[in-house]
Amino acid sequence: GDSVTQMEGPVTLSEEAFLTINCTYTATGYPSLFWYVQYPGEGLQLLLKATKADDKGSNKGFEATYRKETTSFHLEKGSVQVSDSAVYFCALSDNAGNMLTFGGGTRLMVKP
Amino acid sequence: DADVTQTPRNRITKTGKRIMLECSQTKGHDRMYWYRQDPGLGLQLIYYSFDVKDINKGEISDGYSVSRQAQAKFSLSLESAIPNQTALYFCATKPVSSYEQYFGPGTRLTVT
Repeated sequence: GDSVTQMEGPVTLSEEAFLTINCTYTATGYPSLFWYVQYPGEGLQLLLKATKADDKGSNKGFEATYRKETTSFHLEKGSVQVSDSAVYFCALSDNAGNMLTFGGGTRLMVKP
Repeated sequence: DADVTQTPRNRITKTGKRIMLECSQTKGHDRMYWYRQDPGLGLQLIYYSFDVKDINKGEISDGYSVSRQAQAKFSLSLESAIPNQTALYFCATKPVSSYEQYFGPGTRLTVT
């Protein structure tokens, strides 16, 4: 079945540091890929998405590129802020777009 | 504002008790989902519903049941709660035409 693997956290960075959170997946067909973010005490929110190979999703300074050859969708940000502290989830959808499979989540802590 | 709400937000209950978690949405979405979140395991799907008459088991449905009372309401029940059902529970909705799921704020359930 489908699966998503992402790097374990927590990831601790200083403000303005570069962020990479790795995500790889296993899936049949051509899934869409997502990054969701969960701020403390809240539900998950969609951060960005990519629906086909070589697509780049971007939002709020975060980017991720759908790499079919390496089955990866790594999340990057050039300069993190304290307000980016949250848990980040990589996810993929089934071909029909109805079901999401999530990775285990990576907690990011940004220190001033 | 259109939203996904969950009640209660926090609940402590004893082993063997029956408990119901409720989810309501004003987004007009047909598809609704119940997830469980445990640290390091991401979100696991408990049940999902594509419309009022279509309810399906997810990957971890044992010990849970659901009711879709209306398009806007989807309830999760634990008939006889046990301590390993202590977790954070999320409801989500999705329109037919989009990949994005919209999450409620979560219910933190503790079974003692």
